[in-house]
Amino acid sequence: DAKTTQPPSMDCAEGRAANLPCNHSTISGNEYVYWYRQIHSQGPQYIIHGLKNNETNEMASLIITEDRKSSTLILPHATLRDTAVYYCIVRVSGTYKYIFGTGTRLKVLA
Amino acid sequence: DAGVTQSPTHLIKTRGQQVTLRCSPKSGHDTVSWYQQALGQGPQFIFQYYEEEERQRGNFPDRFSGHQFPNYSSELNVNALLLGDSALYLCASSLQGDSGNTIYFGEGSWLTVV
Repeated sequence: DAKTTQPPSMDCAEGRAANLPCNHSTISGNEYVYWYRQIHSQGPQYIIHGLKNNETNEMASLIITEDRKSSTLILPHATLRDTAVYYCIVRVSGTYKYIFGTGTRLKVLA
Repeated sequence: DAGVTQSPTHLIKTRGQQVTLRCSPKSGHDTVSWYQQALGQGPQFIFQYYEEEERQRGNFPDRFSGHQFPNYSSELNVNALLLGDSALYLCASSLQGDSGNTIYFGEGSWLTVV
């Protein structure tokens, strides 16, 4: 099965960039990497997704390594409201099943 | 444009009872997936419905069943509830479930089994 590995927790100073890594070494060639965050056990909020090129939207940037085995989510100017659990997820190749890891608990410090 | 909506938001059931949770997908989406999220853990895939049929199932017993209606809304049914079924149940919708399409989640239904 596809699997993602993320550090369990990270701290970031308010106003600084938060860089959240994810290892997805078993990802297949045509599967996307998705990033979500979850605040206080609300529903996961979509952030960004990508296949092989770097992506940017109003919330974040996604950097995917050339071999696609890992990616980094970048929150350029973290605020206290960005404190949440961040998940990177991938789909198991040949299925419609998405795998969540345990996520990274990001704490933004004032 | 309403996103993914789920009901009820919270409910309490007794062991052995049955529960039905409901989900309306985001407008324009035709694929619905259900996830179970135990406290402190990441969501676990239960199953996905497309064209009113279950087309993918995770590692959950047959006590977990579902349905998708012609308007793409969906229900999750859990029979013979166990204490371990207490969790946040999340519904996610997308277009055709193809990789690369954005997947949106609802706020979830909190189920407590006592």
